[in-house]
Amino acid sequence: EVQLLESGGGFVQPGGSLRLSCAASGFTFSNYAMSWVRQAPGKGLEWVSGISGSGGSTYYADSVKGRFTISRDNSKHTLYLEMNSLRAEDTAIYYCAKDNCGGTCDSHWFDSWGQGTLATVSA
Amino acid sequence: SFVLTQPPSVSVAPGKTARITCGGNNIGSETVHWYQQKPGQAPVLVIYFDSDRPSGIPARFSGSKSGTTATLTISRVEAGDEADYYCQVWDSSSDHRVFGGGTKLTVL
Repeated sequence: EVQLLESGGGFVQPGGSLRLSCAASGFTFSNYAMSWVRQAPGKGLEWVSGISGSGGSTYYADSVKGRFTISRDNSKHTLYLEMNSLRAEDTAIYYCAKDNCGGTCDSHWFDSWGQGTLATVSA
Repeated sequence: SFVLTQPPSVSVAPGKTARITCGGNNIGSETVHWYQQKPGQAPVLVIYFDSDRPSGIPARFSGSKSGTTATLTISRVEAGDEADYYCQVWDSSSDHRVFGGGTKLTVL
């Protein structure tokens, strides 16, 4: 059974930093791309960032490009999101999501999700 | 870049059929995936590749696509189907994933 367990959320002031982690189990972690998806309070889902199975390719939404860094440690089966220069509008539940595919595919979707970790940015 | 448009809300009586649409100029060239999110829970994949169902998802859930609109259809709606539903596509030109704004399904 696929399990994704996020951690690292918390309260931070504007301009501060947080590092989120997602511990994965139940599948061959290095074979699959992974993403972070966030949901602001009362709002919809927003894809934030993705990373290939090897970690060699990374992708970012325009809203976080230059401030957030996604990475993974395949030996530890763990996904990370380093968030810097945080703003109030970054306040959200951050979900770790497993991609259906690790390489070249006809499409990409998320077949498993964690329960999320809440990051609150406020003065 | 992709923009996916969903109606904010859809209401349906129990036992009836609910249809949730997802519109976008580029939908015809990409496959659409659908997620169900109940309050306080993580999203769950209910349809992928326009019309395929993951194991464990009831056959009452189906997907289709025509032109610039994809549709999630829920037959014989039950109270437990009340949730937010999101469509999603993969932008192959940027490798970004894009979500629609979401539709709140209310079972009357």
